[in-house]
Amino acid sequence: GQQVMQIPQYQHVQEGEDFTTYCNSSTTLSNIQWYKQRPGGHPVFLIQLVKSGEVKKQKRLTFQFGEAKKNSSLHITATQTTDVGTYFCAANSGYSTLTFGKGTMLLVSP
Amino acid sequence: GAVVSQHPSWVICKSGTSVKIECRSLDFQATTMFWYRQFPKQSLMLMATSNEGSKATYEQGVEKDKFLINHASLTLSTLTVTSAHPEDSSFYICSAPADRSWDYGYTFGSGTRLTVV
Repeated sequence: GQQVMQIPQYQHVQEGEDFTTYCNSSTTLSNIQWYKQRPGGHPVFLIQLVKSGEVKKQKRLTFQFGEAKKNSSLHITATQTTDVGTYFCAANSGYSTLTFGKGTMLLVSP
Repeated sequence: GAVVSQHPSWVICKSGTSVKIECRSLDFQATTMFWYRQFPKQSLMLMATSNEGSKATYEQGVEKDKFLINHASLTLSTLTVTSAHPEDSSFYICSAPADRSWDYGYTFGSGTRLTVV
């Protein structure tokens, strides 16, 4: 099935610093989704990218899909303590099954 | 938006007993429901895919006789952990593609934290 590698596994930043997590696949992806899971919570959908080279923004979050549709990134500008959580990328494999990356746990110190 | 209600939120059971976890789609019809388990600080591992009115499809290594999945209606899917043992303790979570999933993604239940003692 589809596999996506996500790095880094963990990042600890000071509030106000930027943060980026990367997702890579050895095969071309039809689309990629990003989710955020707060500690003790469940994954919440952030965005889906479909087009080659696509860039989408949500306030301080910028999502990119590579030209070859094999990689994606999520960048947070000027992190806040509310950004704490684990960020997962996920790709469709098979009909509608989502395969999740291992996630990047973000810790933000005030 | 699409909501999936999952119950119970947490359960403690004795080794050897069975536990049933329910996921209901409240405002949409969930033809397909995915069941995941998640160990602390790890990713979500797909266990099985249930489709309304048909048998579930299990991922490699998941015991179908141990993790019974039923998807009897378009709004209800259940996972029963039979003869639970301490190694089954985990966070179980269901998910369904929402309508217009390209905009709203997949909706997750709030999860069930199972502790087997």
